[in-house]
Amino acid sequence: ETGVTQSPTHLIKTRGQQVTLRCSSQSGHNTVSWYQQALGQGPQFIFQYYREEENGRGNFPPRFSGLQFPNYSSELNVNALELDDSALYLCASSIGLGTSGANVLTFGAGSRLTVL
Amino acid sequence: QQQVKQSPQSLIVQKGGISIINCAYENTAFDYFPWYQQFPGKGPALLIAIRPDVSEKKEGRFTISFNKSAKQFSLHIMDSQPGDSATYFCAASMNFNKFYFGSGTKLNVKP
Repeated sequence: ETGVTQSPTHLIKTRGQQVTLRCSSQSGHNTVSWYQQALGQGPQFIFQYYREEENGRGNFPPRFSGLQFPNYSSELNVNALELDDSALYLCASSIGLGTSGANVLTFGAGSRLTVL
Repeated sequence: QQQVKQSPQSLIVQKGGISIINCAYENTAFDYFPWYQQFPGKGPALLIAIRPDVSEKKEGRFTISFNKSAKQFSLHIMDSQPGDSATYFCAASMNFNKFYFGSGTKLNVKP
């Protein structure tokens, strides 16, 4: 059973650029959530996707957008990058809503984004 | 407004000692309270979790104590080991949707 894999692991962008981060969920998981973890802070919820539909969004501007694909993998896109977007972006997968597995988030190791 | 407040920010414990990390929350609609452990370069991993209908849950050396009236919960690590050195996050959620995490506690267990 493979876990959650994220790519790329590290990347550097300049202010104003766009970035796409990718996530492959754990086998059997159909729900993906994205979190932003600033240095020395706890993860902050960005949004969640369930069966390819957005199912909840945190306090992030519209330039943060996402997709979930039929194989349950997911992308996080951030447009018009700002310096404050520098953080570790974590993807977490879980089993579908309303099941006993829905409360167990399995996290990937994250993509560390640096915006210069 | 921070939904989950965690303390202390850092903690140093001698091997064999008890590590205690505290969290407080405001929203009474939260119905699930997990603790996550994160090692450097890794994502958080679920350690132990509790629902508000019980006051304590124990798994091996790890215990969650939950005080619903005070809206507080804590993680106790008994017989702390150097391998427990990591950052610990408390969290809270409702309906398994959005998880609110505390700011983390960096635990250092000295040999």
